[in-house]
Amino acid sequence: DTAVSQTPKYLVTQMGNDKSIKCEQNLGHDTMYWYKQDSKKFLKIMFSYNNKELIINETVPNRFSPKSPDKAHLNLHINSLELGDSAVYFCASSRVPGQPATNEKLFFGSGTQLSVL
Amino acid sequence: SQQGEEDPQALSIQEGENATMNCSYKTSINNLQWYRQNSGRGLVHLILIRSNEREKHSGRLRVTLDTSKKSSSLLITASRAADTASYFCATRSGGGFGNEKLTFGTGTRLTIIP
Repeated sequence: DTAVSQTPKYLVTQMGNDKSIKCEQNLGHDTMYWYKQDSKKFLKIMFSYNNKELIINETVPNRFSPKSPDKAHLNLHINSLELGDSAVYFCASSRVPGQPATNEKLFFGSGTQLSVL
Repeated sequence: SQQGEEDPQALSIQEGENATMNCSYKTSINNLQWYRQNSGRGLVHLILIRSNEREKHSGRLRVTLDTSKKSSSLLITASRAADTASYFCATRSGGGFGNEKLTFGTGTRLTIIP
């Protein structure tokens, strides 16, 4: 029944490795996001997709590549992981087509805590 | 750059007291939202106030918005232990279809002492 689910919840890996985080939403939303929360709890948007199309791409290293196979899924692949990539990554979704009143709030997954050693 | 900043960064109060958190932002907004984050969990939407509104209520929550001062406050009345969490304000920008993004503040860590 989880609305926005992301896996894995914890990810511990060595520097230089490549890893992926998966996200799925069952809310019928057509916009999905990736946010990064650092150790000081500051939350910053990385990407947003609307109906599989990349809409927002903040200043993120190109080692980060989002992929949206369909509007219910938005995965995040990270190449050549660095120590500074350690953070909690949140997936979120919003916007039910045709229902503007519900479009403006985000629904978040429970986060993936990434630790790069 | 960071849009919102919450004040205080941390707040501890006794159960039953009221908790007030403030948020300041820098640019024009369409709306301002407050979210709660329990430890180890994702953010949960609490309340949204539009730029043409000055005050909004939802249960024990009261939000005010002063666009002239670019500030908002969140009041939680009759606090409970379950209100212990981090609270974030977020401002909405971007008007294009699918181009909405929320920019979050730094958060206030609220601890309710039983």
